[in-house]
Amino acid sequence: DIQMTQSPSSLSASVGDRVTITCRASQGIRNDLGWYQQKPGKAPKRLIYAASSLQSGVPSRFSGSGSGTEFTLTISSLQPEDFTTYYCLQYHNESYTFGQGTKLEIK
Amino acid sequence: QVQLVQSGAEVKKPGASVKLSCKASGYTFTVYAIHWVRQAPGQRPEWMGWINSATGNTKYAQDLQGRITITRDTSATTGYMELSSLTSEDTAVYYCARGNWEPYYFDYWGQGTLVTVSS
Repeated sequence: DIQMTQSPSSLSASVGDRVTITCRASQGIRNDLGWYQQKPGKAPKRLIYAASSLQSGVPSRFSGSGSGTEFTLTISSLQPEDFTTYYCLQYHNESYTFGQGTKLEIK
Repeated sequence: QVQLVQSGAEVKKPGASVKLSCKASGYTFTVYAIHWVRQAPGQRPEWMGWINSATGNTKYAQDLQGRITITRDTSATTGYMELSSLTSEDTAVYYCARGNWEPYYFDYWGQGTLVTVSS
């Protein structure tokens, strides 16, 4: 099975900050990765697919990059509604694994 | 608009089975796979399995093999997930999600169904 290691597990930041979250895959997954935002009591919401493609309707302050084994989600200027939990999901070769999650907190 | 609407919360005793539903609308049901994902309290989501909505072919997570059955009813545009021999470790929110190729992998999700297993 492909393991996904996401870091950091938590992050304190301020409104307007730029933050980066990383996921590392235990083997190469090309660009078969998405990033999701999850608010308490809600289903995950897709932000990024194919590692770097922005989901329609998602603000442009969200961006993704990477391929192979290392991937990043960047939020360029944090807004109050961005302080929640983020997950990566790999979907390479009919194998599906989520990262441990990153909880983004207000400093 | 695409919607996946799941059945309501369930409370089950250990050893029982549960069957959840996921009603799809707003798209051609047989074109997209349906996945099932669960999330225990405070944990990351965990993929459980998926069904090809056109053929009915399935694939399950290895650690759930033998306990999970995913089916679909194309006339009702609804997917189903049944999990048997429940234990307290199966207490979680269960989600269905759509899609099995780019750019549609896990693009739309149901609202989730809480399953509580307690004696």
